[in-house]
Amino acid sequence: GAGVSQTPSNKVTEKGKYVELRCDPISGHTALYWYRQSLGQGPEFLIYFQGTGAADDSGLPNDRFFAVRPEGSVSTLKIQRTERGDSAVYLCASRPGGGSVTGELFFGEGSRLTVL
Amino acid sequence: AQSVTQLGSHVSVSEGALVLLRCNYSSSVPPYLFWYVQYPNQGLQLLLKYTSAATLVKGINGFEAEFKKSETSFHLTKPSAHMSDAAEYFCAVTPGVGNEKLTFGTGTRLTIIP
Repeated sequence: GAGVSQTPSNKVTEKGKYVELRCDPISGHTALYWYRQSLGQGPEFLIYFQGTGAADDSGLPNDRFFAVRPEGSVSTLKIQRTERGDSAVYLCASRPGGGSVTGELFFGEGSRLTVL
Repeated sequence: AQSVTQLGSHVSVSEGALVLLRCNYSSSVPPYLFWYVQYPNQGLQLLLKYTSAATLVKGINGFEAEFKKSETSFHLTKPSAHMSDAAEYFCAVTPGVGNEKLTFGTGTRLTIIP
């Protein structure tokens, strides 16, 4: 498909387990973002990649959260020792690298994480 | 620090009536402002943006917004609501170039009454 693809669309896990969420950006988009959207809230910034490197990870809530983008395309958000408070929809967005955040971000449909 | 406040988590309008969704911002520098829309089972989609050019910004699907510095507002309007406008709308702000974070409001769910 031509859009941003996120898998899985739904993930249910138990407290304390490890989770990986995957994002396939639009082909050729070098900028990639992860956001988290809790129930009743707007999306909250987690991390921004330009190419392979994390240019801004100031939104990651603690060291249980980590994200990688080893080849500058697909990104994986990793959550260790999940807690019930991690339950949310995790959104991925991408944009062409030549622009900036003032341009359009293209969002995926999100991965809904539920921690029991 | 920057923030946006969306007044009204739920707004209902009749089909054909004016749509007005409110957004007020707080910013220590000239802001860049956005409205994104999320239709059911779809990802967020850019409706329109203000990036310090014209203060009246026109977007897709007949929506427009006006940047009013004196009121620190960026309200979204559409003259005549259509059933297909039912969605959740998010206002967002960023300082712009050099800062890649968008700060979103809590969203307004728009319901259209037939």
